[in-house]
Amino acid sequence: GAVVSQHPSWVICKSGTSVKIECRSLDFQATTMFWYRQFPKQSLMLMATSNEGSKATYEQGVEKDKFLINHASLTLSTLTVTSAHPEDSSFYICSARSDRGSYEQYFGPGTRLTVT
Amino acid sequence: GQSLEQPSEVTAVEGAIVQINCTYQTSGFYGLSWYQQHDGGAPTFLSYNALDGLEETGRFSSFLSRSDSYGYLLLQELQMKDSASYFCAVRAPPKSTDKLIFGTGTRLQVFP
Repeated sequence: GAVVSQHPSWVICKSGTSVKIECRSLDFQATTMFWYRQFPKQSLMLMATSNEGSKATYEQGVEKDKFLINHASLTLSTLTVTSAHPEDSSFYICSARSDRGSYEQYFGPGTRLTVT
Repeated sequence: GQSLEQPSEVTAVEGAIVQINCTYQTSGFYGLSWYQQHDGGAPTFLSYNALDGLEETGRFSSFLSRSDSYGYLLLQELQMKDSASYFCAVRAPPKSTDKLIFGTGTRLQVFP
């Protein structure tokens, strides 16, 4: 149990276009999901906390108009990178915290975004 | 600010024991977690300490000292498959969301 999926697993897009990444909790409900960005050989940087039915909470320095987050249901959160630029190329990982009360976060397999 | 410092790289041989340290400075603390991440993969949960002391889970143990803002992950009987990056992470306020702040990460290389 406690599986989180992400789609797509990798994507290449042209500069200036937008890309949507989906994060789904497959066998549990998650009121809260998180989005991280990871550059090569670096740590995971929390971008935002996604809450079902309400606005996301962004970490300091993360542009909310560039990284749009929608948590439309208890099993789905989406991250849209708008007007992508090459510097947005990174590994984007989501995680979900089960509503069953455990503190543990379950991570998705990640999405590798390359902007050309 | 918030920071979690780890050694950048550790090397060891199969069968050995290795300790990965983590010192943290965060505004609020509920517990320290450890995650393993293989290249290109997702982080996987290893261990969690909310209180001071040692937690043992098979070959992996984790220790926490809240007064010293310090913890470590101990890996015993190292295997080649343990070669990966290891991250400590602090559960940070607000408790309602339980967000994680990750450390700088330690790359472990296990040699035969």
